[in-house]
Amino acid sequence: AQTVTQSQPEMSVQEAETVTLSCTYDTSENNYYLFWYKQPPSRQMILVIRQEAYKQQNATENRFSVNFQKAAKSFSLKISDSQLGDTAMYFCAFMKQAGNTPLVFGKGTRLSVIA
Amino acid sequence: DTEVTQTPKHLVMGMTNKKSLKCEQHMGHRAMYWYKQKAKKPPELMFVYSYEKLSINESVPSRFSPECPNSSLLNLHLHALQPEDSALYLCASSQDPAHPYNEQFFGPGTRLTVL
Repeated sequence: AQTVTQSQPEMSVQEAETVTLSCTYDTSENNYYLFWYKQPPSRQMILVIRQEAYKQQNATENRFSVNFQKAAKSFSLKISDSQLGDTAMYFCAFMKQAGNTPLVFGKGTRLSVIA
Repeated sequence: DTEVTQTPKHLVMGMTNKKSLKCEQHMGHRAMYWYKQKAKKPPELMFVYSYEKLSINESVPSRFSPECPNSSLLNLHLHALQPEDSALYLCASSQDPAHPYNEQFFGPGTRLTVL
């Protein structure tokens, strides 16, 4: 079975600064996908960024980037130029590369961006 | 239309009531999911429908009864719930269950309170 661990229950960052959220996972699969989801107080789960395990290049989406270390089974999220709207719960998630397989979520990190 | 909608947004019910949650998507997705999310916890998978057939039931109590009348609609029928069933219920959909990559799109959720 796959597990996802987020070791930081809460974090805070000053507006315009950079913050890194940690995520490690455990799997015996070689092909899989990793995701970071954001859930603001409005409750909607929004996909922030995804990484295919077969790709060595780290994914980036505007101010969001990941540091994917496959051998270490590590998948951290870096948020640059933090904005107040980034305040949310962030979930790291794993999915096997097979049709119709469920997401496995970490426990989440609550990020607060402070003005 | 690129969203998943859920109704109602909020629901309060007694332990003897029967109610239903509704989820709809018009993206042509053929997989739909129900998750339960307690406060400050990650979503927990309940059910997966693939091509309108139940493909995964994560040992959910029978007081929760899913239904997928067509490819766009997913219901969750509730009966004789307990106060501990109070939670946010999230619906999600993904494009093609047979495809190895299936990004899940989440709805805004229904906040359920059982008195």
